[in-house]
Amino acid sequence: AAGVIQSPRHLIKEKRETATLKCYPIPRHDTVYWYQQGPGQDPQFLISFYEKMQSDKGSIPDRFSAQQFSDYHSELNMSSLELGDSALYFCASSQPSGSYEQYFGPGTRLTVT
Amino acid sequence: LAKTTQPISMDSYEGQEVNITCSHNNIATNDYITWYQQFPSQGPRFIIQGYKTKVTNEVASLFIPADRKSSTLSLPRVSLSDTAVYYCLVWVSGGYQKVTFGTGTKLQVIP
Repeated sequence: AAGVIQSPRHLIKEKRETATLKCYPIPRHDTVYWYQQGPGQDPQFLISFYEKMQSDKGSIPDRFSAQQFSDYHSELNMSSLELGDSALYFCASSQPSGSYEQYFGPGTRLTVT
Repeated sequence: LAKTTQPISMDSYEGQEVNITCSHNNIATNDYITWYQQFPSQGPRFIIQGYKTKVTNEVASLFIPADRKSSTLSLPRVSLSDTAVYYCLVWVSGGYQKVTFGTGTKLQVIP
């Protein structure tokens, strides 16, 4: 069965650089979520999109932005990277409204040096 | 969003049944309860969801008392591969809501 695809899987950036993470949800899933998980920490919700519109916002820094495109894939754009942005970034998708099951991707490991 | 509280860690021997309880005192009428499992460096994986009483699937059971202020995830006969962090989440009916992962329970299965 198709799963959530994230790219790249690993990314190394320097401080103050920018990064773009991509997420391709499972086909026919209309909702996408982004999470950040620092070393030894629990996943922190960043932002979600439903039918290409932002549906909710969590602890996403102003330096980050995200959008969902017409083909439902989503991109998380991160600017002015800081050392503290080093983390695993997960994308998850879910079926049309009414489902409480999120399907998570393998994550993108971002390292900021 | 209902705040959840779980034990930080638990140890269990292989073959035993493990019960992990989650407290969600301010759960609302339309909220559903879900549990996720996460292995190191992997995304969380959905285990089970429920609204009230008991739900069972091929990997776990979920017990929810009548007042719904807590829930218990039951893993029958755990194996070493069940060593992971388990998260309890509360969802508002409608699906697409902000989801808060609380502090999960780190289960260590001992041979």
